Amino acid sequence: EAQVTQNPRYLITVTGKKLTVTCSQNMNHEYMSWYRQDPGLGLRQIYYSMNVEVTDKGDVPEGYKVSRKEKRNFPLILESPSPNQTSLYFCASSLGQGTGEQYFGPGTRLTVT
Amino acid sequence: ILNVEQSPQSLHVQEGDSTNFTCSFPSSNFYALHWYRWETAKSPEALFVMTLNGDEKKKGRISATLNTKEGYSYLYIKGSQPEDSATYLCAFEFGGYNKLIFGAGTRLAVHP
Repeated sequence: EAQVTQNPRYLITVTGKKLTVTCSQNMNHEYMSWYRQDPGLGLRQIYYSMNVEVTDKGDVPEGYKVSRKEKRNFPLILESPSPNQTSLYFCASSLGQGTGEQYFGPGTRLTVT
Repeated sequence: ILNVEQSPQSLHVQEGDSTNFTCSFPSSNFYALHWYRWETAKSPEALFVMTLNGDEKKKGRISATLNTKEGYSYLYIKGSQPEDSATYLCAFEFGGYNKLIFGAGTRLAVHP
């Protein structure tokens, strides 16, 4: 089954404790992105990747890191999480630009206390 | 700062009503306009991706139009059903590379 998977689905952590949210897709998609969703706001792009080893900042990259060492995986790293990073996070992949509809993962709800 | 506006913020309709929403986006650096349907506790799912001015797309009772010159897109739902209840998101893709700016969404509730 074609899908985007994320782990964990739920995470409660404390300020400053490094964490990684994994994302994997099995559709051989070139493009992958991370978004966060906060009440009253639209999905905001954190980082995106056009291919292996090619990443770029989205609209809200501060406090996040990503890597794309393999085509299928695009982990999101929070080196020192803070409470303002409490949010719902989505990973997405797509075939490419223009006609590239996004396929979203199930979401990760992160709470930083 | 690029901004995507969706209106209305929320909408309540009766089963069988037809309805439409608006997405306004910058008219420069346009690459594509995306529509997604997002049900509670699920992930957003793609409805349409439109790239050409004047594009019209249809999927069942849902259709969309695109005007890139004036920077707007309409989403229409004909004969709304309770299962159409969801948040409808539009996203402006600019410059290629799947760089997207999402609107805040229109939340639709269809009452039996």
